[in-house]
Amino acid sequence: DSGVTQTPKHLITATGQRVTLRCSPRSGDLSVYWYQQSLDQGLQFLIQYYNGEERAKGNILERFSAQQFPDLHSELNLSSLELGDSALYFCASSVGHLGVEETQYFGPGTRLLVL
Amino acid sequence: GDSVTQMEGPVTLSEEAFLTINCTYTATGYPSLFWYVQYPGEGLQLLLKATKADDKGSNKGFEATYRKETTSFHLEKGSVQVSDSAVYFCALSDAGGGNKLTFGTGTQLKVEL
Repeated sequence: DSGVTQTPKHLITATGQRVTLRCSPRSGDLSVYWYQQSLDQGLQFLIQYYNGEERAKGNILERFSAQQFPDLHSELNLSSLELGDSALYFCASSVGHLGVEETQYFGPGTRLLVL
Repeated sequence: GDSVTQMEGPVTLSEEAFLTINCTYTATGYPSLFWYVQYPGEGLQLLLKATKADDKGSNKGFEATYRKETTSFHLEKGSVQVSDSAVYFCALSDAGGGNKLTFGTGTQLKVEL
């Protein structure tokens, strides 16, 4: 158990809908990362937050957005869903020291299926 | 940009066989290198890491050495077990780039009795 929790574990929805994925980082970690794992794209970094502020952005679609709240949990919002958004979405956390290499600890993931 | 290349899978081995999974990288800075493992139906677990050239990461009998001259970080284990069956991901992060991880495509390992 990494200490990172993600809810829900599974999500089934229809095209055009909007969903919210939730992540709680390990106790003491200030940085949260979101990754998407799909069959065609592999594991890709989406976005990183540090203590409530966006720190880095990767291959995140404009239909997707994220935020980190004062209690440090994070939410990834996916809207106008398409079939191709079906994937496993991982959250990871780390302490968040700037400019220092850190180990990221991953949650169990949320499996999204868009029908 | 940064990238990681791993050998294609699946790799099928008999129990107690020697394992090598090749990984090479391209990076502009001085990255840290990682191997993560994903067991069926689970999330990613850090297996081992190395933060500078010539460092050797090791864990649970797995080893990998950070080779700057060949830009490689090959994963090895002397004697695999059925319980090692999983997908293995090589990854890099650059602290100067905010620590985001860049992953390889993953290599599935199947170990048979």
